[in-house]
Amino acid sequence: DIQMTQSPSSLSASVGDRVTITCRASHNINIYLNWYQQKPGKAPKLLIYGASNLQSGVPSRFSGSGSGTDFTLTVSSLQPEDFATYYCQQSYNTLVTFGQGTKLEIK
Amino acid sequence: QVQIVQSGAEVKKPGASVKVSCKTSGDTFTSYVIHWVRQGPGQGLEWMGWINAGVGNTRYSQRFQGRFAITRDTSTSTAHMELSGLTSEDTAVYYCARSNILGTYYFDYWGQGTLVTVSS
Repeated sequence: DIQMTQSPSSLSASVGDRVTITCRASHNINIYLNWYQQKPGKAPKLLIYGASNLQSGVPSRFSGSGSGTDFTLTVSSLQPEDFATYYCQQSYNTLVTFGQGTKLEIK
Repeated sequence: QVQIVQSGAEVKKPGASVKVSCKTSGDTFTSYVIHWVRQGPGQGLEWMGWINAGVGNTRYSQRFQGRFAITRDTSTSTAHMELSGLTSEDTAVYYCARSNILGTYYFDYWGQGTLVTVSS
């Protein structure tokens, strides 16, 4: 199985900050990498698919990059509604694994 | 618009089985793949498996092989998952989610989640 490792596991930041979350795959997954945001008690919400494609309706302050084994999710200017947990997810070979999550908290 | 509605919460005893349903509307059911993902209390997301709603083939995480099955009923646009041999470790919220059939499995629509509690 392909393992996904996110870092950091948690992050404190302020409104207006630029933050970056990293996801590393144990094997080359090309660009089969997606990012989700989850708030307590809610289903995850798709933010980025195919490593860098912004899902319809998602604010442009979210962006993704990377290919192969190393990927990043960047929020250019944090808004109050962005404080949540973020997950990466890979789907290489039609098997799926998630990263362990990054909890983004208000400083 | 696309909607995915799951069946209600369940309480089961250890050793029992649970079946959760996932009804989709607003799009062509057989054009998509339905996945099941679970989340234990305070835990991350764990993928369990998928079914191609058109062809009916499935693929499961090795972790659940032998006690997990996904089926679908195209007449009602509903997918079902059944997990057997329940233990307290299976207490979780179970989500179904939709992806395309192309293999680039990203989940653009999710059900609301179904809480399964395993307790004696």
